[in-house]
Amino acid sequence: EDQVTQSPEALRLQEGESSSLNCSYTVSGLRGLFWYRQDPGKGPEFLFTLYSAGEEKEKERLKATLTKKESFLHITAPKPEDSATYLCAVQANNDMRFGAGTRLTVKP
Amino acid sequence: NAGVTQTPKFQVLKTGQSMTLQCAQDMNHNSMYWYRQDPGMGLRLIYYSASEGTTDKGEVPNGYNVSRLNKREFSLRLESAAPSQTSVYFCASSESHRNYGYTFGSGTRLTVV
Repeated sequence: EDQVTQSPEALRLQEGESSSLNCSYTVSGLRGLFWYRQDPGKGPEFLFTLYSAGEEKEKERLKATLTKKESFLHITAPKPEDSATYLCAVQANNDMRFGAGTRLTVKP
Repeated sequence: NAGVTQTPKFQVLKTGQSMTLQCAQDMNHNSMYWYRQDPGMGLRLIYYSASEGTTDKGEVPNGYNVSRLNKREFSLRLESAAPSQTSVYFCASSESHRNYGYTFGSGTRLTVV
């Protein structure tokens, strides 16, 4: 069965303190790995798609990377507005399977 | 740009009542989805419609039915609500069923008492 595990569950950073979020997965025939951002009371917002091991995508202070077993979301010099829950999802043959998310808090 | 619109935003039902959650998208997307989100469990797929005229079960379909009314609209029906269906429900759409990120609505918070 396809599984997606995100760690840590919660992460508190000081403004400017860089860190990484992890998404490990077990799936047969990965078609794509997706990262989303979710703010409280809102729906997830699509950030990146990664299709193959070694691929990287960047957007402002965020960089996503992919290996054959896991993906990392690196956050460089975060700001308070980066506070949100970050969701990872994988797609194999059919539906997109989501992890439980990492709740990121960035303190000024 | 409205994107994906869900109604209602909040709803309280009594056990055994029925209701329909509405979803509409204005991006000309082919695929539409219904997810539920519960604390600590992530988003779980209830039903999806890969294209107009088709619907398929997801991970947790029991107790729900769906209708793809046309390309824009995809509704979720609870025939006899149960407390276990208390959750936040999200509708999403994508250009195609595979290899594309989803655009989500803002959700419906449903409480069944």
